[in-house]
Amino acid sequence: AQSVTQPDIHITVSEGASLELRCNYSYGATPYLFWYVQSPGQGLQLLLKYFSGDTLVQGIKGFEAEFKRSQSSFNLRKPSVHWSDAAEYFCAVGASTDYKLSFGAGTTVTVRA
Amino acid sequence: NAGVTQTPKFRVLKTGQSMTLLCAQDMNHEYMYWYRQDPGMGLRLIHYSVGEGTTAKGEVPDGYNVSRLKKQNFLLGLESAAPSQTSVYFCASSDRDRGIVAFFGQGTRLTVV
Repeated sequence: AQSVTQPDIHITVSEGASLELRCNYSYGATPYLFWYVQSPGQGLQLLLKYFSGDTLVQGIKGFEAEFKRSQSSFNLRKPSVHWSDAAEYFCAVGASTDYKLSFGAGTTVTVRA
Repeated sequence: NAGVTQTPKFRVLKTGQSMTLLCAQDMNHEYMYWYRQDPGMGLRLIHYSVGEGTTAKGEVPDGYNVSRLKKQNFLLGLESAAPSQTSVYFCASSDRDRGIVAFFGQGTRLTVV
């Protein structure tokens, strides 16, 4: 069965500083991997996705993520955060066999001025 | 283009009452999902469907039933609501052609008293 672990429950970062959110997954085959963002009281918005090919993927809002098969990781990064990046971020893994989509517990990002 | 629409957006139930949450998508997606979101738990998959007339259990299916009689609709039923089912419920849909990128509804906030 697939699963996702986001080790960091809460991260505080200064505006303009870099951000890295960790994600580890468990899945036997090649997974579909995603990062979603949720602003308070809102639904989830896709930031980026990985299916195959280049292991460094670019997303919206200046985010990128790197797939590392050897580490079963798909960490999300942003070089310089903006106050509007304060939100909850979810990593997800999709199974290429039964299309089941599983999410991690999320990481809340607080941006301080 | 409405995307994924959830009805209702808010509901308060008494313990033991029943209700049905409706999810409708207009993107002709094959796959549909119901999640519940609780603080610190992320999104947990309740049930999902990979096509009209098919459903499968997710991580936390107990106390819920689902039906997918039409491709565009996915219904989540609570037969006898319990306070432990107080949560925010999200519906999502996806499609194999897009690598199961999930599109989410805005959520239903359910309180069971």
